[in-house]
Amino acid sequence: KQEVTQIPAALSVPEGENLVLNCSFTDSAIYNLQWFRQDPGKGLTSLLLIQSSQREQTSGRLNASLDKSSGRSTLYIAASQPGDSATYLCAVSSTSGTYKYIFGTGTRLKVLA
Amino acid sequence: DAGVTQSPTHLIKTRGQHVTLRCSPISGHKSVSWYQQVLGQGPQFIFQYYEKEERGRGNFPDRFSARQFPNYSSELNVNALLLGDSALYLCASSLGGARLGNEQFFGPGTRLTVL
Repeated sequence: KQEVTQIPAALSVPEGENLVLNCSFTDSAIYNLQWFRQDPGKGLTSLLLIQSSQREQTSGRLNASLDKSSGRSTLYIAASQPGDSATYLCAVSSTSGTYKYIFGTGTRLKVLA
Repeated sequence: DAGVTQSPTHLIKTRGQHVTLRCSPISGHKSVSWYQQVLGQGPQFIFQYYEKEERGRGNFPDRFSARQFPNYSSELNVNALLLGDSALYLCASSLGGARLGNEQFFGPGTRLTVL
């Protein structure tokens, strides 16, 4: 059974810091991994999608890496800003059995001005 | 272009009632997925529909059902509501089925409160 874990659960950093969010999954049989941000009470905004054959993706200040064999992904945020404050979620789509899309519980990030 | 739209935005029901939630995908997208998000947790996968057929199902009771229409919009139905069904219900659309590795785009959600 695929399980997705995100560490840390919460993070508070001063503005301008570079930071890393972690996502680990137990079953390496995945189609892709996607990172999202969620503002309180809102829907999810897609940040980056990494296909199973890819190692990383970049968008602006964000860089996500994928190591399928070790079941890990990291989201790197450069020069953090107060507007980056949100909950960050990772999700994997599993190739085992019927289709499922499994989310982690998220990392709640607060960037202090 | 409009993103994923969901209706209604908020809904209050009482235990035992039935509810229907609606979702319209991004134009050109043929796949719709439904998720339940309880406060403080990540979204839980309920269903995926692609080309009007169910392609995936999460661990939810039979009280939950869904369908996809010829225009690719979708409805999620929940019967015999329980207090524990109170949650944010999210809809996501993608170009194809997830086996194609397509990116998922989420709507704003429907906040369901069961009293």
